[in-house]
Amino acid sequence: DTEVTQTPKHLVMGMTNKKSLKCEQHMGHRAMYWYKQKAKKPPELMFVYSYEKLSINESVPSRFSPECPNSSLLNLHLHALQPEDSALYLCASSPPLTRNYNEQFFGPGTRLTVL
Amino acid sequence: GENVEQHPSTLSVQEGDSAVIKCTYSDSASNYFPWYKQELGKRPQLIIDIRSNVGEKKDQRIAVTLNKTAKHFSLHITETQPEDSAVYFCAASTGSGSARQLTFGSGTQLTVLP
Repeated sequence: DTEVTQTPKHLVMGMTNKKSLKCEQHMGHRAMYWYKQKAKKPPELMFVYSYEKLSINESVPSRFSPECPNSSLLNLHLHALQPEDSALYLCASSPPLTRNYNEQFFGPGTRLTVL
Repeated sequence: GENVEQHPSTLSVQEGDSAVIKCTYSDSASNYFPWYKQELGKRPQLIIDIRSNVGEKKDQRIAVTLNKTAKHFSLHITETQPEDSAVYFCAASTGSGSARQLTFGSGTQLTVLP
């Protein structure tokens, strides 16, 4: 398996809902990332997990809660989101530093709409 | 932190012509510079990258050059084709440890006219 996969592809939720985004990779990568991307803008880093530990949190509001249950799986739990949180949420992974520099591979993304 | 500037924001070329996109970075500690292509509604796709110990790298019609002294790097696409139309992002890698951060440029919308 040489891809990063994400589910669901599309998600519509209300401001009071709780939902989760899922990301999976089976390439042996030990760093995983969540990005948020608005239309016509570059990806913005949200969180970084390294060896299943949260290593970077880019001052993301607490209504976004990441979780890394194991080295292959990354979740993003969503609660009480705002309409301005509507965006494409991208997951990425990268090999251990000893194998390569920070070559990051992106998943297809989840298109999130908050009503 | 790192700051990456990318120019131009839009670029239109005739099919068969060359396209050049330029980026500058601020952090002299950055040592890895990837380029991503993103088609509408798709994921960013790594198309080429360069490390700080290399000045130029080529892969078929795509090449990247790096000037560490001036802190700038460029993407060159030759013999452009309509399928090259997309948004291109440059990035610079900083940080330490196993997870290093990518800082992206603002993107270039490339349109190849048939």
